[in-house]
Amino acid sequence: DGGITQSPKYLFRKEGQNVTLSCEQNLNHDAMYWYRQDPGQGLRLIYYSQIVNDFQKGDIAEGYSVSREKKESFPLTVTSAQKNPTAFYLCASSTYYEQYFGPGTRLTVT
Amino acid sequence: AQSVTQLDSHVSVSEGTPVLLRCNYSSSYSPSLFWYVQHPNKGLQLLLKYTSAATLVKGINGFEAEFKKSETSFHLTKPSAHMSDAAEYFCVVGRLSGYALNFGKGTSLLVTP
Repeated sequence: DGGITQSPKYLFRKEGQNVTLSCEQNLNHDAMYWYRQDPGQGLRLIYYSQIVNDFQKGDIAEGYSVSREKKESFPLTVTSAQKNPTAFYLCASSTYYEQYFGPGTRLTVT
Repeated sequence: AQSVTQLDSHVSVSEGTPVLLRCNYSSSYSPSLFWYVQHPNKGLQLLLKYTSAATLVKGINGFEAEFKKSETSFHLTKPSAHMSDAAEYFCVVGRLSGYALNFGKGTSLLVTP
């Protein structure tokens, strides 16, 4: 089955720790995206990558980092510099504008 | 900049009655517009898309939307609501760069028996 996988579904971390969220796709899409979702806020773009070894900041990139070493993978690291990291994180991939989303990872930092 | 405004944060309808979820857009060029649906604690699913072809767009599960340039609107409709339609709905506009998307804040649809 083609699709996007995100793991884990739930993630708990202590404040001050970095944490990496996984995103893998087997749709052969060039572009991949990370969004953050908070209640009542819709989705906000963190980072995106149009091609391997290249990525661009979105609207709320501060406190996050990414890498794109393989076409299939686009991991997101939430660093200790992110002031309010508790949120639902969604990864997507696309060809043109039609984006396909993974099931999401809910991160809780205490 | 491209943006969308969803005019209602919550909409409640009875099962079997029509659904109307309202969205206005702002764009400096001919936009690509989408509606996505999200069921609780799940990822997003594309309902329909407008990319400058027919102004009336049909999507999955009986939903449709009409692009009205004069009103800068892209409202989502369905003739008859089902209980399974209860979810969060997002109106979305495509950005110029990287095929990224700008999301509205969402409309929560409640369907009552």
